[in-house]
Amino acid sequence: KAGVTQTPRYLIKTRGQQVTLSCSPISGHRSVSWYQQTPGQGLQFLFEYFSETQRNKGNFPGRFSGRQFSNSRSEMNVSTLELGDSALYLCASSTLQGSGAEAFFGQGTRLTVV
Amino acid sequence: DAKTTQPNSMESNEEEPVHLPCNHSTISGTDYIHWYRQLPSQGPEYVIHGLTSNVNNRMASLAIAEDRKSSTLILHRATLRDAAVYYCILRDDGGTSYDKVIFGPGTSLSVIP
Repeated sequence: KAGVTQTPRYLIKTRGQQVTLSCSPISGHRSVSWYQQTPGQGLQFLFEYFSETQRNKGNFPGRFSGRQFSNSRSEMNVSTLELGDSALYLCASSTLQGSGAEAFFGQGTRLTVV
Repeated sequence: DAKTTQPNSMESNEEEPVHLPCNHSTISGTDYIHWYRQLPSQGPEYVIHGLTSNVNNRMASLAIAEDRKSSTLILHRATLRDAAVYYCILRDDGGTSYDKVIFGPGTSLSVIP
């Protein structure tokens, strides 16, 4: 069974640009969540989608958005990039939404903003 | 707001038990306690989770204090493959707060052969 796939693995963008990251969950998983990991702030929760609806959202500005498609694949978008958005963005999928579910993580997309 | 604290690093000898502590004194009644670990250049990997009772699985055990203000991840026999950063996480589906998922700072576990 294929794991969670994130594309691209590495990305370099210029300040002010926007970026879209993609996540393909494990087949049959309907919940997808996104996280940001930086050396300074550690791991932080961005948002969670289940059946194409955003169920939970972390404390991030509106420049960070996401969506989930009918096949459970998800994308996250960051507009007007800032240097501080440089981070490893991780996606995780699970069969269920919420606290009781085991999540499976992808290897992440390393975004560098210059 | 809920918060978790963990020691920055710990060391263990191979084949010895390891007890990784986590303090979460502001935990709410609906917060689940999750543990994940992360190897270099990889995404986090699920270890175990629980709500109130102690939990066991093939990887580890989770001991939750009676007042739920702390928990301990127990690796029964550390192997070199257990060397990783271990994260204690609170997950809450209740209420309307944005702080649904709170990550601890992580404990870097070194295993000495």
